[in-house]
Amino acid sequence: GAVVSQHPSWVICKSGTSVKIECRSLDFQATTMFWYRQFPKQSLMLMATSNEGSKATYEQGVEKDKFLINHASLTLSTLTVTSAHPEDSSFYICSASPSMSSYNEQFFGPGTRLTVL
Amino acid sequence: SQKIEQNSEALNIQEGKTATLTCNYTNYSPAYLQWYRQDPGRGPVFLLLIRENEKEKRKERLKVTFDTTLKQSLFHITASQPADSATYLCALETGSQGNLIFGKGTKLSVKP
Repeated sequence: GAVVSQHPSWVICKSGTSVKIECRSLDFQATTMFWYRQFPKQSLMLMATSNEGSKATYEQGVEKDKFLINHASLTLSTLTVTSAHPEDSSFYICSASPSMSSYNEQFFGPGTRLTVL
Repeated sequence: SQKIEQNSEALNIQEGKTATLTCNYTNYSPAYLQWYRQDPGRGPVFLLLIRENEKEKRKERLKVTFDTTLKQSLFHITASQPADSATYLCALETGSQGNLIFGKGTKLSVKP
C-alpha cells in the first residue's frame, strides 16, 4: 500500500523558534499533499492544500506567513511553523493523494507532535 | 458551510457484536464519503470510500451505507474484536481539489 512518512515524529521547541516538518510519499508520486492539525479530542482540521510546483492554498483563518508550505517535488512537502508559540502546540498530520482525481483516498502520515514551551 | 457530525463520541460494545457508527452531514451533497480508522497518536488509515450513487459497500467485516436523502452514512463492523478498538472518522469531500472535512470521530471500545 501507499506509505507516507513524517519527520520528526515529535518535537519540543522554545517559544519564538521555527520548526520544520517533512512529509514524504515513499512509494508513489503525490501531486497533492494536505496538511492538517488536530487538537486533543478534536477533528482533523485542514490547514492547507499544496500542489507540486505551485503555491499552497490555505484554509480560512490559517496564516500563510506563519505556516510556510513548500511542495518542491512530487514526493516531498514541508511545513514550517515560524515563530512558534505555545498555542501552536498540536498534532500535525500530512496526507498525500496520488492524483488530482476527486475519488482518490488520502494516505496519511503518522503525524508530528509539536510542543512549544 | 458543510457540516459533518458523528453523533456518538464513544461506543462500548461486547466482542462478537456488531458495532454501528453514524455520520450525518448538512448543507452539502458530497460526491463521496470516506471512513478512516485512527489509533491514539497516529495518523488516520483509510478504510472505505462510498460514492453518492452507491447504497452500500463492503470490505471483509466492514459495511458502509450511504443515504443521500437522509444525508447519513452508517458504518458497521460485524463480529467485532478488541483489536477493532479505535476512533473511527468519517470524512466527506468538499468538491475542491479533493479536500476532505472530517467528523470528530467515534471512539469504539470492544470489550472481550
